[in-house]
Amino acid sequence: KAGVTQTPRYLIKTRGQQVTLSCSPISGHRSVSWYQQTPGQGLQFLFEYFSETQRNKGNFPGRFSGRQFSNSRSEMNVSTLELGDSALYLCASSVGQGAGNTIYFGEGSWLTVV
Amino acid sequence: GENVEQHPSTLSVQEGDSAVIKCTYSDSASNYFPWYKQELGKRPQLIIDIRSNVGEKKDQRIAVTLNKTAKHFSLHITETQPEDSAVYFCAATTTSGTYKYIFGTGTRLKVLA
Repeated sequence: KAGVTQTPRYLIKTRGQQVTLSCSPISGHRSVSWYQQTPGQGLQFLFEYFSETQRNKGNFPGRFSGRQFSNSRSEMNVSTLELGDSALYLCASSVGQGAGNTIYFGEGSWLTVV
Repeated sequence: GENVEQHPSTLSVQEGDSAVIKCTYSDSASNYFPWYKQELGKRPQLIIDIRSNVGEKKDQRIAVTLNKTAKHFSLHITETQPEDSAVYFCAATTTSGTYKYIFGTGTRLKVLA
């Protein structure tokens, strides 16, 4: 069974631009969550989608948004990029929603903002 | 808000020694506690987890203990090997509203040969 797939793996953007990252969950998984990973900050929760609906959101500004499609694939978008948005963005999927569902991570998308 | 504290941030041990990483969570409603290992440049991978109805769980050289009263849980690695070198993250899932994972800030473990 294929794992969680994220594209692109690496990208460089300029301040003020916007970026869209894509995530394909493990087949059969309906929940997709997104995390930002930066040195010293660990894994910060961005948002979680289940059945095309955002079920939970972390403490990030409105520039960070996402969506989920009917096939459970998800995208996240960051508008008006800032230097501080440089990070590894990790997508994770799980079978269902709810405490106790193990999440499985993708390899991540490395975003550098210059 | 919900919080998971993880200590130490870095840990160096000699090969063959044991390593212990500790986490404390704030949400008493949390009931699932996974541990992830992230090798350099790779994705975090689940190595062991424990649920709130269990006090201890072992898997070969790895064990996790949970103290719900004190709201802390620990990862124990025995007979450490160089391939155990990585960053380890603890997490707790909170049931406040809809669930989400709260991760600790990570522990960089170095196993010295």
